[in-house]
Parts: sequence; structure tokens; C-alpha cells
Amino acid sequence: NAGVTQTPKFRVLKTGQSMTLLCAQDMNHEYMYWYRQDPGMGLRLIHYSVGEGTTAKGEVPDGYNVSRLKKQNFLLGLESAAPSQTSVYFCASSGTGVGWTEAFFGQGTRLTVV
Amino acid sequence: DQQVKQNSPSLSVQEGRISILNCDYTNSMFDYFLWYKKYPAEGPTFLISISSIKDKNEDGRFTVFLNKSAKHLSLHIVPSQPGDSAVYFCAAYKILTQGGSEKLVFGKGTKLTVNP
Repeated sequence: NAGVTQTPKFRVLKTGQSMTLLCAQDMNHEYMYWYRQDPGMGLRLIHYSVGEGTTAKGEVPDGYNVSRLKKQNFLLGLESAAPSQTSVYFCASSGTGVGWTEAFFGQGTRLTVV
Repeated sequence: DQQVKQNSPSLSVQEGRISILNCDYTNSMFDYFLWYKKYPAEGPTFLISISSIKDKNEDGRFTVFLNKSAKHLSLHIVPSQPGDSAVYFCAAYKILTQGGSEKLVFGKGTKLTVNP
């Protein structure tokens, strides 16, 4: 049982390049989320999805796009990477969105934009 | 506007003693409060939670206290162990009347170091 798997785990991008982070969960969870963690800032919600085919903006959505074409996958895209997007990105999933005690997080993707 | 605040970025305690991690919040509408634990190079994992209608919840060595009038909660770890060394995040969310919940709001985290 893998839980929540993020790929890649590390990536270095040049400013202006694009990339997609993949989050996959095998728990049949409806809700999926992308967070970023920056030093001294806690975790901030970028985008989230309440079900297959749906997406919504979180606290810091600018510069990111997401897609949830399959229930088990939630993709986070950076169209034109900027140094300000250097961060650790975490994906999470939960069953219903109620009861965050059941939320599971991936191991994170460390992204550096130079 | 930071709704969940952890004002101590770090805390160091001796093994066997009590660790007390504090968290303050500004939104009186939060329904649940949670603590997550995060080790380096890993994602956060759920530790313990408390409903806004309770003032204490205990799970083994971990106890969370909620003081609604002061908008303050704390996590007590007794006795502290070196394996407890991690970053602890306080978080909160509100239940929606139409079902579901609002997003989880995180504090900035407190790094706990338990010295042998």
C-alpha cells in the first residue's frame, strides 16, 4: 500500500522552464491537495480538488495550474518557473474533506528554480 | 492574516522531561484543531486532534489542551523521547454547514529537539 506518491522527489529548473509534478494516491480518496512549504511559512495551499474533473484555487495559486483527469492522480504544473517557486511541494489526499485526521501526505518534491 | 500562529520556532528539552508546544489562533469559528508531526525529507503525519467542544484529548504520551476563551491550544509530550525530535505543525479547520470542510490552515511549525 503506497499511500500518496509524489514524483519527482527532486528537480532543478531554469527560470522560464516548465514542468509537471505528479501526485498519485491508491486509497480511492476524493479530495486531493497541493501545498508548498517555505522556511518560516508553514504549509500553504496552492490548489485542491474535491473529485475527478474538478479543481479549485487555494491560498497561493498564481503561477500554477492543476488537473485531475483521473481520481487517483493530481498534477501540478508550472508553465514558466520563477525563482520564487523554489520550495518543497507536498501533495495530500483525504477521503471526504471532512476529518483531516484521515489526510495523508506524500514525501514531498524539492524544487529549485535557478 | 495568519489565523494559526506558532510563535516559537524551536524548542529544546531533555529526554524524559515534558515538551509543551503552543499554538494560538484568531478564528473563533474553527471546529477542529490538529497537530501534525514532520520528520526531515518526509511529509507531515497526523498526530492528534481535538474538537472545539472539548478541552482535552489524550493519546498515550501526547495530550492536547484547548482553551477557547484564550484561543490557545497546546501539545504536551510526556515523557519526551529523542524520536520525538521533529517539526510540529498546529492546524485547524472549519466544518461547512453544507457538508465538507474548509481548507486546513497551518501554523508555521515548531522544531522540537529532544536531547538524550
